[in-house]
This record gives sequence, structure tokens and C-alpha cells, in this order.
Amino acid sequence: NAGVMQNPRHLVRRRGQEARLRCSPMKGHSHVYWYRQLPEEGLKFMVYLQKENIIDESGMPKERFSAEFPKEGPSILRIQQVVRGDSAAYFCASSPIPGGEQFFGPGTRLTVL
Amino acid sequence: AQSVSQHNHHVILSEAASLELGCNYSYGGTVNLFWYVQYPGQHLQLLLKYFSGDPLVKGIKGFEAEFIKSKFSFNLRKPSVQWSDTAEYFCAVIGNQAGTALIFGKGTTLSVSS
Repeated sequence: NAGVMQNPRHLVRRRGQEARLRCSPMKGHSHVYWYRQLPEEGLKFMVYLQKENIIDESGMPKERFSAEFPKEGPSILRIQQVVRGDSAAYFCASSPIPGGEQFFGPGTRLTVL
Repeated sequence: AQSVSQHNHHVILSEAASLELGCNYSYGGTVNLFWYVQYPGQHLQLLLKYFSGDPLVKGIKGFEAEFIKSKFSFNLRKPSVQWSDTAEYFCAVIGNQAGTALIFGKGTTLSVSS
């Protein structure tokens, strides 16, 4: 059973470009969480999705950020018009049930030049 | 709002020393508690978790943690650390009436010298 997969592992973007981060949950997991880790900070929750639905987006900035988890395919975190402050590690986690153990992917390290 | 505090930012130990990493949370309701570890260059892995029952929880690699409800604490312990325990350790909580996302502490970096 493959673990949570994220790609790309490293992503470099110039200011103003778009960044698309992908997350494939573990087989059988329908709950996906996105977290962001800034330097010297712990992981901060961004958004929680179930298949085709956003359940909780209270941690996601209102502008430029969006997330989806379509019926088929991976979950995608999209950042439009990136700025230097978006540089961070973005982690995806999946869970078979809400509130249970979450399994983490290797993360995507976004660098904005 | 919920929060998690990890008291030590960086801990340096020699092999065979005992380890205790502090973790306190602020949430008055029922909680699920976790310790995750991130080895250099790797992703987060679960060390142990507490949902209910015996407040002394045993995890992988000889780690254990004790949930003390009255102190809102979930400290991580290991009687004898090894060089391979060098990693970053994160305490996290889910407040069961406050959503299902993990609330993380800022992490503690453990460096073990051989």
C-alpha cells in the first residue's frame, strides 16, 4: 500500500506565477488535509477536503489560494500570483476517518524567487 | 483558539541519556493527542497517539508519552536515546469539538551525539 504521494517535491516559481501542488492520498483514504510549514514554525493547517467537497478552509488565505479534491485524481493546492512570503514546505496528509491518525506525504518545497 | 506549546526549541543530549520533551495544549474539551517525528530529509511519521484509555501510551522505537489531563500535558519520554533519534519532534492535538485538523506545536529539534 503506497503512502501519501506529493509532487513535485521541489518547485521554483517567480513572483506572479502560479504554483500547483498535487497530493495523492493513501488508498482507501477519502480525507485530505493540507498544511504549511514556514521556517522556524510548526505546521499550520490550511484546508480539509473530502472527495469533491471542501469541509474546512479556515486556515487558508482568502485570496490567491484554492484547493480541490475531485472525484478522480489527486487533490490540488493552487496558489495564484505567488509572492516571496509563499515560500514554504507544503504537506499533505490523508486519513481514513475524520479526527483519526493522519498519514503525511513528503511535502513540496516551494521557493518563490 | 486552540494552541500547542512545546517548551524546548532545541535539545542536545549524549547517547544513553534520558529524554523528556514537554508539550502543553490549550483546549478544554476532549482531545486526541499525537507525537510526530521528522528525521532529516524524511516526511513526518507518527510516533504515538492517545485517544482514550490508559494515559501512558507506548509508541515505536521505545518512546512513550503520558497524558495528564489536569495539567493539559502530553510529554514525550525515552529512557535512553540513540544517535538515530536525532530528528525534529512535533506534538499535535485534535480538539474533538473544534474540527478534525491537527494543531501542531512549533517542534523540538533533538540532537544526539555519539
